[in-house]
Amino acid sequence: GESVGLHLPTLSVQEGDNSIINCAYSNSASDYFIWYKQESGKGPQFIIDIRSNMDKRQGQRVTVLLNKTVKHLSLQIAATQPGDSAVYFCAESPEYGNKLVFGAGTILRVKS
Amino acid sequence: SQTIHQWPATLVQPVGSPLSLECTVEGTSNPNLYWYRQAAGRGLQLLFYSVGIGQISSEVPQNLSASRPQDRQFILSSKKLLLSDSGFYLCAWMEDRYSMNTEAFFGQGTRLTVV
Repeated sequence: GESVGLHLPTLSVQEGDNSIINCAYSNSASDYFIWYKQESGKGPQFIIDIRSNMDKRQGQRVTVLLNKTVKHLSLQIAATQPGDSAVYFCAESPEYGNKLVFGAGTILRVKS
Repeated sequence: SQTIHQWPATLVQPVGSPLSLECTVEGTSNPNLYWYRQAAGRGLQLLFYSVGIGQISSEVPQNLSASRPQDRQFILSSKKLLLSDSGFYLCAWMEDRYSMNTEAFFGQGTRLTVV
């Protein structure tokens, strides 16, 4: 379910290292998942998505992994850069209907 | 290309006053439309979504309401604002999730402060 009342956890990484941001979802009926990046004072921006018939999808410097067995989603960012510093959210959409529900976000801080 | 407009960018309103936030989408037809609220340093809470004109699904019972008078217009309203209504309000649109393009696009948000 939604964790909108929780303070966001923080992940600190060194510039150039790889980052892994995790997300647990609760609705087993969800079959479409999206990762978003949100910079301060702005709306979320789409990063990458994945459907439940896949377990991995790659983009430019980003990879999303989906484990439906344990209802877990992860976002891997290769060679993390200072510009990657932001809040990252996963979102899920159930198989029937058009809801788009966000999970708890993670703050990514990149140290130079 | 598709664009989404949300206004105003910031708003300061007294407790008990009404609210009307407007969101319009261009460059697409029959989009799914969403209203979210984000408290400072927190996640995004889905408030309402709409799959068509006049069709509103409410996710969280509260003193807010939403309307979709036109295909590409989504309005968030309140008759009497509460202090707890303060937050960052985001409008988003997405094509039908069974279409090829299911990326959701967000407006720039409205920062509402109720005083």
